[in-house]
Parts: sequence; C-alpha cells; structure tokens
Amino acid sequence: NAGVTQTPKFRILKIGQSMTLQCTQDMNHNYMYWYRQDPGMGLKLIYYSVGAGITDKGEVPNGYNVSRSTTEDFPLRLELAAPSQTSVYFCASNSLQGETQYFGPGTRLLVL
Amino acid sequence: KQEVTQIPAALSVPEGENLVLNCSFTDSAIYNLQWFRQDPGKGLTSLLLIQSSQREQTSGRLNASLDKSSGRSTLYIAASQPGDSATYLCAVHSGGGADGLTFGKGTHLIIQP
Repeated sequence: NAGVTQTPKFRILKIGQSMTLQCTQDMNHNYMYWYRQDPGMGLKLIYYSVGAGITDKGEVPNGYNVSRSTTEDFPLRLELAAPSQTSVYFCASNSLQGETQYFGPGTRLLVL
Repeated sequence: KQEVTQIPAALSVPEGENLVLNCSFTDSAIYNLQWFRQDPGKGLTSLLLIQSSQREQTSGRLNASLDKSSGRSTLYIAASQPGDSATYLCAVHSGGGADGLTFGKGTHLIIQP
C-alpha cells in the first residue's frame, strides 16, 4: 500500500514557466487536499476536493489550478510560475470528513 | 478566521525528560484537532487526532488533551528520546466542512542524548 505519492520530489522552474505537480492516492479516499509550506511556517491550504469532479478553493488559491477526474489523482497546476511560489507542496487525503489526513512526502519547488 | 499558535517555537531538553507542547486556537467551533510530526525534508505523520467531543487521546508515550472552550491543546511526551527530535505541528479542522486543516507554525524539538 503506497498511500499518497507525489512527483516530482524536487523541481527548479524559471519565472513564467508552467508545471503540474502530481498526486496519487491508493486508499480510495474521497477527500484530497493541496497545501504549501513556506520556511518556518505552518501549512496553508491551496485547493481541496471532496470527490471526482468536485474542487474548491482554500486559503491561498491564486496562481494555481486543480482538477479531479478520478478518485485517485489530484494534480496541481502552476501557470506562469513566480518566485513567491517557491515552497514545499504537500498533497493529503482522507476517507471521511474529520478523519485523519494522510500526507505525501512533498514536492520542493524553486522558482528562479 | 481561525488562527493556530504554538508555543514554544523551539525546545531543547535532555533525554529522559517529560515535556509539554502547547497549541492554542482562536475559534472554539472546531470539528477536531490533530498533532503531526514532521522530520526534516519529509512529509507529515499523524500522531493523534482528538474529536471535538473528546478530552484526550493517548498513544504510547504521547498524550494529547483538548479544552475546546478555552481554545487549547497540549501534547505531552513522556520519557523523551533522541528519536523524538522533530517538528511537531498542531492543526485544527474548523466546522463540519471538508475545507482542510489550519496549522500552527510548529514546535522544533531537540532531545539531547
């Protein structure tokens, strides 16, 4: 059981480039989340999804987009990367509202 | 807007000591509270989850308490070990929606051998 997997582990982007961060879970969880963590800070919610085809904005959605075409996958798209998007991105999932969230290992993104 | 504060920001203690990490939140209308552990360069590992109707949860040497009315939670670590060195994050799930967790900035814990 792999849990929550994220790719890539690390990426360097130039300003203005775009990329997709991949997240897959094999636990058949309905709820999935994207967070970002800046140095010395707690995690902040970017987007979340309560099931395939349903997504909603979190606290810091600007500059990002998501889609949820399957239960397993929840990719995060960065359009026109900016230095302010340099961060570590975590994907998480859980089965029921209010249950423990399981986190992936994170993607470290550097925008130069 | 929910805000979560963790005190202290950093803590260094000798091995074997019992210690307490503190977490406070501004809006008491929470669904649950979770404590996570984060090792350097790694993801988050859930340690304990306390539902809003519960007062405490225990797992091995860890005990977490919740006082929802005062907006406080504590994580008690008994007989600390060097392997407990990590950053500990407190997070609250506000209300009944699936709108994610609100995190504190964490307590960076070092256990000296």
